[in-house]
Amino acid sequence: DTAVSQTPKYLVTQMGNDKSIKCEQNLGHDTMYWYKQDSKKFLKIMFSYNNKELIINETVPNRFSPKSPDKAHLNLHINSLELGDSAVYFCASSLPGTPWGYTFGSGTRLTVV
Amino acid sequence: AQSVTQLGSHVSVSEGALVLLRCNYSSSVPPYLFWYVQYPNQGLQLLLKYTTGATLVKGINGFEAEFKKSETSFHLTKPSAHMSDAAEYFCAVSDRGGANNLFFGTGTRLTVIP
Repeated sequence: DTAVSQTPKYLVTQMGNDKSIKCEQNLGHDTMYWYKQDSKKFLKIMFSYNNKELIINETVPNRFSPKSPDKAHLNLHINSLELGDSAVYFCASSLPGTPWGYTFGSGTRLTVV
Repeated sequence: AQSVTQLGSHVSVSEGALVLLRCNYSSSVPPYLFWYVQYPNQGLQLLLKYTTGATLVKGINGFEAEFKKSETSFHLTKPSAHMSDAAEYFCAVSDRGGANNLFFGTGTRLTVIP
């Protein structure tokens, strides 16, 4: 009954590959997000989706593409992986207008070799 | 854009000692303010938040924080550290009336010495 679940938890892949990270929430939230945490623990927003519409994209390379088949899912697809993409990626969700209502997933540690 | 500064990337305290983690924000309009905790290999958990009203807010695990508008600060404190408090702590802000995006500080790693 995990509120925000991400799969996989760990992902090791070679440079140039394409990979996806899945995220699902069962909280009935309307907004979902992807955050990236780099090796220095810095967290930065990548995308947010509200009712299946992208509402923000913080200068993320276009190799990254969020895909939301429905409001309970927000998957992250990454093309042509680079070494610098190695990080922990967190999915989160919230109700509109409630920034204090964030629920985070447990993260996906991506390692590009 | 919002900016959050956490002074001290590492803080060490003895078990039972006061914990003080510092956070300052830069905004002409006080934003929503948050503290999150991240235990090793886990996601982020909300410790406490300030949205409006009383400036001293209490959170989980005995933590509290005080919003000081004049100092643009939102420092996190706990009177007595426990070993289980060892973790990474993040201060975050979000604009009032804007998108719900959280902007995080660079984090402070708390070490508790037995």
